[in-house]
Amino acid sequence: GQQVMQIPQYQHVQEGEDFTTYCNSSTTLSNIQWYKQRPGGHPVFLIQLVKSGEVKKQKRLTFQFGEAKKNSSLHITATQTTDVGTYFCAMNTGNQFYFGTGTSLTVIP
Amino acid sequence: EAGVAQSPRYKIIEKRQSVAFWCNPISGHATLYWYQQILGQGPKLLIQFQNNGVVDDSQLPKDRFSAERLKGVDSTLKIQPAKLEDSAMYLCASSFRGGYSYNEQFFGPGTRLTVL
Repeated sequence: GQQVMQIPQYQHVQEGEDFTTYCNSSTTLSNIQWYKQRPGGHPVFLIQLVKSGEVKKQKRLTFQFGEAKKNSSLHITATQTTDVGTYFCAMNTGNQFYFGTGTSLTVIP
Repeated sequence: EAGVAQSPRYKIIEKRQSVAFWCNPISGHATLYWYQQILGQGPKLLIQFQNNGVVDDSQLPKDRFSAERLKGVDSTLKIQPAKLEDSAMYLCASSFRGGYSYNEQFFGPGTRLTVL
């Protein structure tokens, strides 16, 4: 099955630094979702983006959907230790649904 | 509100044996998904049910995997016979709406399968 590469695969940051993960598709998407999975846990829904160029914020998290609806990013401002986990994008092509490979975030206190 | 329930939480079997997983979605959720997540990878959608009908099973290895949701509520996923490469976490998720809109999904705790 198809899996879309997210970049970076791993990211280690000092607490307080910013973090960004990117998700890219070769095809135009109907929508894109972002999930967070803590170590040993299950994916938890964060947000869904539907519109071209859409930007949504949740406290320190900013989500963007590209103008062409082929890419997306998640940016965390001033990371905290509670942000540790793997962040996945999940892409809806209209008739299929794929999770990205994930970006594993480690926050060093 | 109760979450998605799955059982068992862990299962160890030998290759060529059979195994079944059970999932009970959140009450009122019409759509149920089964995913396979191999360690270090993202979840891979195996099958999506809308009520008791299949919406998408394009990535389900149908020679050995089967799933059913007979009454449109709980569901079982079966592997027969298991192979070593089936070792993974099997996640069940549900959503209020589904189809090709793939709305917000709520995941269960998963079943960790080890095939020896």
